[in-house]
Amino acid sequence: AQKVTQAQTEISVVEKEDVTLDCVYETRDTTYYLFWYKQPPSGELVFLIRRNSFDEQNEISGRYSWNFQKSTSSFNFTITASQVVDSAVYFCALSEPNTGFQKLVFGTGTRLLVSP
Amino acid sequence: DADVTQTPRNRITKTGKRIMLECSQTKGHDRMYWYRQDPGLGLRLIYYSFDVKDINKGEISDGYSVSRQAQAKFSLSLESAIPNQTALYFCATSGEPGTGGDEQFFGPGTRLTVL
Repeated sequence: AQKVTQAQTEISVVEKEDVTLDCVYETRDTTYYLFWYKQPPSGELVFLIRRNSFDEQNEISGRYSWNFQKSTSSFNFTITASQVVDSAVYFCALSEPNTGFQKLVFGTGTRLLVSP
Repeated sequence: DADVTQTPRNRITKTGKRIMLECSQTKGHDRMYWYRQDPGLGLRLIYYSFDVKDINKGEISDGYSVSRQAQAKFSLSLESAIPNQTALYFCATSGEPGTGGDEQFFGPGTRLTVL
């Protein structure tokens, strides 16, 4: 069965530190999609990235980068030079072909606290 | 204006009351979803609808019902609310998958408290 594990419940860092949020997934399919969403204190869910299972290239967007490794079933998210505005709960999610890629299974989230 | 709106944003109600949460979207998407978020549990799917005539149960549908009144509207009802339905509820939409895996767009959430 599909499953997403975010083992880090909460991480606290000081501004300008780098931080990596871990995501490990389980799936029997060779084709699937992985996502990261951000939930700031205001509560809304903000889409950050989508990655398909055939693209293992790392991706960088500003201070954000993602490391996808199929060999370890991981899709980790790194924030470089963290800022207070990065404080949020971050969710990793998985979608699979048997649902038409339209159902997301979420991890339990990692709360990131960035202090000044 | 927001693409996905939810009303109400906050609601406090009593055990046994009937509650309806409404979701509207202007994205033109066929697919709509209802999730609930509980602390430490992430988001769990309650119901989803791939078009007006297609409604499906999700992971935790017991105690909930839905109505897809139009392409743009998807309502979630609690027929007889109970305290363990206290949670943050999200509506989401997604478009027809192109190559697959289109992201879901979430509403701002409705915080429901059942006393």
